[in-house]
Amino acid sequence: DTGVSQDPRHKITKRGQNVTFRCDPISEHNRLYWYRQTLGQGPEFLTYFQNEAQLEKSRLLSDRFSAERPKGSFSTLEIQRTEQGDSAMYLCASSPRETYGYTFGSGTRLTVV
Amino acid sequence: AQSVTQLGSHVSVSEGALVLLRCNYSSSVPPYLFWYVQYPNQGLQLLLKYTSAATLVKGINGFEAEFKKSETSFHLTKPSAHMSDAAEYFCAVSEDFGNEKLTFGTGTRLTIIP
Repeated sequence: DTGVSQDPRHKITKRGQNVTFRCDPISEHNRLYWYRQTLGQGPEFLTYFQNEAQLEKSRLLSDRFSAERPKGSFSTLEIQRTEQGDSAMYLCASSPRETYGYTFGSGTRLTVV
Repeated sequence: AQSVTQLGSHVSVSEGALVLLRCNYSSSVPPYLFWYVQYPNQGLQLLLKYTSAATLVKGINGFEAEFKKSETSFHLTKPSAHMSDAAEYFCAVSEDFGNEKLTFGTGTRLTIIP
């Protein structure tokens, strides 16, 4: 059990570029979550997978955002045509089927310049 | 809709003193409540959780929290602060059994004074 792994840890991109982040959850955790955290705020829910099925998306997730979890293992979060307002820490978390409380990864910090 | 209010964005306590971080929630159904800690440039770590069992919940690192339905509160305490407790603390609520989608408060930054 190596915990939840996120890659990259930091990403600086120019406005208008596309970026993709990866999350590897704890093996056998069938639930995977993406959150976004801006400076001075708590994390905000973006989306949730149970196995490969994306079961819920926040209204925060505009059409420029897409998330996938093929085969119910790792997940990717893509942001197209990045904007300065997308600058934030993107956190991934996973949890087992029937317990409560997540294990978070260390996050990917995105800076859009 | 569920929500969480953390009173005090910054709290400072002396080393060895009592730590009290306040959290009040709003929920239309019996909630599930959590406290997480975040160290700089890190993800969040679960400290403890309330899921309708005992109202006094003990967590890691000597922290505990008490669920008080009448006060809609879930305050976090630790009898004696340690320098390593300096971090950001987040209270979170979930209403949805089985989903665990969390709504977080805005956090409280805890500073320990030597």
